[in-house]
Amino acid sequence: DVKVTQSSRYLVKRTGEKVFLECVQDMDHENMFWYRQDPGLGLRLIYFSYDVKMKEKGDIPEGYSVSREKKERFSLILESASTNQTSMYLCASRRDEQFFGPGTRLTVL
Amino acid sequence: AQSVTQLGSHVSVSEGALVLLRCNYSSSVPPYLFWYVQYPNQGLQLLLKYTSAATLVKGINGFEAEFKKSETSFHLTKPSAHMSDAAEYFCAVSAFSGTYKYIFGTGTRLKVLA
Repeated sequence: DVKVTQSSRYLVKRTGEKVFLECVQDMDHENMFWYRQDPGLGLRLIYFSYDVKMKEKGDIPEGYSVSREKKERFSLILESASTNQTSMYLCASRRDEQFFGPGTRLTVL
Repeated sequence: AQSVTQLGSHVSVSEGALVLLRCNYSSSVPPYLFWYVQYPNQGLQLLLKYTSAATLVKGINGFEAEFKKSETSFHLTKPSAHMSDAAEYFCAVSAFSGTYKYIFGTGTRLKVLA
């Protein structure tokens, strides 16, 4: 079975902190994705990566950056967390369909 | 360009009744279509997918969906709802184009009444 893991299920940070969300997949997928999920808005794509060190902006990249140094790992970085980044963050990797991690619920105070 | 519309953000059915969750898509290229389910505080799990083979697609947990090109629809159905089906359901469209991006609908929360 494909497994996508995320480093934390719940995270509480303060405004202005730098936040790292880690995602690891074990199926050698080239494509990896970061979404945020908010009630009534569905899933919105933040960034995706189609290979090591390759990335593309999604629909809402402002305030975020990403890093993909190894094929299995895709990190989302909030350079200076703000309260409007409080959300559920979902990582996914893909061959044909996307496989999702369990999500990280981030609260920024 | 692609888009997905899910009609009804909340749907309630009685246990044992038919489940029908609606999804309409727009795509300038032949689409790949997916239904995902999300249980509380969990990630999304694939229910079924359409990738240009059979138009009637069977998925897990007794769900199925039919691709209707003329109606640009991909509605999800289950003949008999079970309490464990209560969850949020997302329809998604993708094109086998350069970016491999998915476009997700805003979700439909299914409530099953005893």
